Amino acid sequence: EAQVTQNPRYLITVTGKKLTVTCSQNMNHEYMSWYRQDPGLGLRQIYYSMNVEVTDKGDVPEGYKVSRKEKRNFPLILESPSPNQTSLYFCASSFTGTSGLQTQYFGPGTRLLVL
Amino acid sequence: AQSVTQPDIHITVSEGASLELRCNYSYGATPYLFWYVQSPGQGLQLLLKYFSGDTLVQGIKGFEAEFKRSQSSFNLRKPSVHWSDAAEYFCAVGARGSNYKLTFGKGTLLTVNP
Repeated sequence: EAQVTQNPRYLITVTGKKLTVTCSQNMNHEYMSWYRQDPGLGLRQIYYSMNVEVTDKGDVPEGYKVSRKEKRNFPLILESPSPNQTSLYFCASSFTGTSGLQTQYFGPGTRLLVL
Repeated sequence: AQSVTQPDIHITVSEGASLELRCNYSYGATPYLFWYVQSPGQGLQLLLKYFSGDTLVQGIKGFEAEFKRSQSSFNLRKPSVHWSDAAEYFCAVGARGSNYKLTFGKGTLLTVNP
């Protein structure tokens, strides 16, 4: 089954304790992206990657890191989490269709609470 | 820069009634347009998308949307709402070319009364 998986689905941590949220897709998509969703703000892009070893900042990259060493994986790293990073995080992947259009497929989300 | 406005934060309809969710976008050229749905506790599911061509787009679950360039709108419609349609709906705009950015609206929460 074609899917985007994220782990963990739920995470409670404390300020300053480094954490990684993993994202994996089995569709051989070139493009992957991380979003955070906050009430009243919709989804905002954190980082994206157009292929292996190619990443770039989205709208809200501060406090986050990413890496793309393999095509299928795109982990999100919080080196020193703070309470304002409490949010619902979504990973997405996409292919480029014949029209160049990006159709993004989303993972199930990771709910993070930073105390 | 592209942007999306969903003017209605929360809409309540009765089951069986028709539905229209509004979406206005800002983009310098013809955009890619999407509607996603998020059920409680779930991820986002693509309902439909507009690339080019026919401005009336059919999607899953009986939804359709119409692209109106003159009004910079891409409103989502359904003729008869079911209780299972209760969810949050997001409109998104994507830029053409090498910009892979997808910008989302803030969402419209749909409540369906029995």
